Amino acid sequence: AQSVTQLDSQVPVFEEAPVELRCNYSSSVSVYLFWYVQYPNQGLQLLLKYLSGSTLVKGINGFEAEFNKSQTSFHLRKPSVHISDTAEYFCAVGKGSNFGNEKLTFGTGTRLTIIP
Amino acid sequence: DAGVIQSPRHEVTEMGQEVTLRCKPISGHDYLFWYRQTMMRGLELLIYFNNNVPIDDSGMPEDRFSAKMPNASFSTLKIQPSEPRDSAVYFCASSTTPGQGSSYEQYFGPGTRLTVT
Repeated sequence: AQSVTQLDSQVPVFEEAPVELRCNYSSSVSVYLFWYVQYPNQGLQLLLKYLSGSTLVKGINGFEAEFNKSQTSFHLRKPSVHISDTAEYFCAVGKGSNFGNEKLTFGTGTRLTIIP
Repeated sequence: DAGVIQSPRHEVTEMGQEVTLRCKPISGHDYLFWYRQTMMRGLELLIYFNNNVPIDDSGMPEDRFSAKMPNASFSTLKIQPSEPRDSAVYFCASSTTPGQGSSYEQYFGPGTRLTVT
C-alpha cells in the first residue's frame, strides 16, 4: 500500500516571501507524484507532476517541486508568493507503470495563507 | 471542452431522504472517480469505474451508498437513506487510460456540497 504525509496542515506566509510545503510518501513500488491546488469552493486542479526523468519539476503559477527518492519526499516550493496563492494544496501519489496506476492516494492537505 | 460537470452544486436535504448526485466526465475519458471531502477525513476515494464498469468500491462507506455508470458520459452517486454524517463535498473526477498519451492527471469537477439536516 502507498501513503502520503503532509506534515503541515496550515502554513502562513507573508506576501513575496518564499514558501515550501512538505510532502513525504511511502510505497513499495515506483511511484508517480502530483501536487494539486484547491481554491475556495472549487475542485482540485493539477499544479505539477513527476512521472520520470528530471527530479526538479516545474508547474503552473511559478511553483516547482523536487523528487527525492532517498528521502521519499516531493516538497513544493515557490520563491515569492502572491495573495492569489491562498488555497489548499494536496500532494498525491500513484503507482508507477505496470502496477495498476489508475488510482491516486491524496494527503490531508496544507492550507496556505498569504499575509499582506 | 467543458470539463467535468457535476450537479447539483449544492444540495440540502433532511435525514432519511434519498440523494442523487450526478456527474458528466470529460468526453473520451475512460476512468471516472467519486471522492468525498470532509474536514475530519480529508479527501477519500469512494469508488471508481473503467469503461463504465466498477473496478474498486472498497471506499464506499456502507450499503446506503451506491454508484452507477450507465454509459460513458454519465454517472450517479446515490445515498439512501441519507444521514447527517454524510454531509460533505462530493467530487467527481475523470482521466484517460495511462499510456495512451495521457498524463495520468485526474480532472476534477467543481463538487457537490451536500448538507443533511
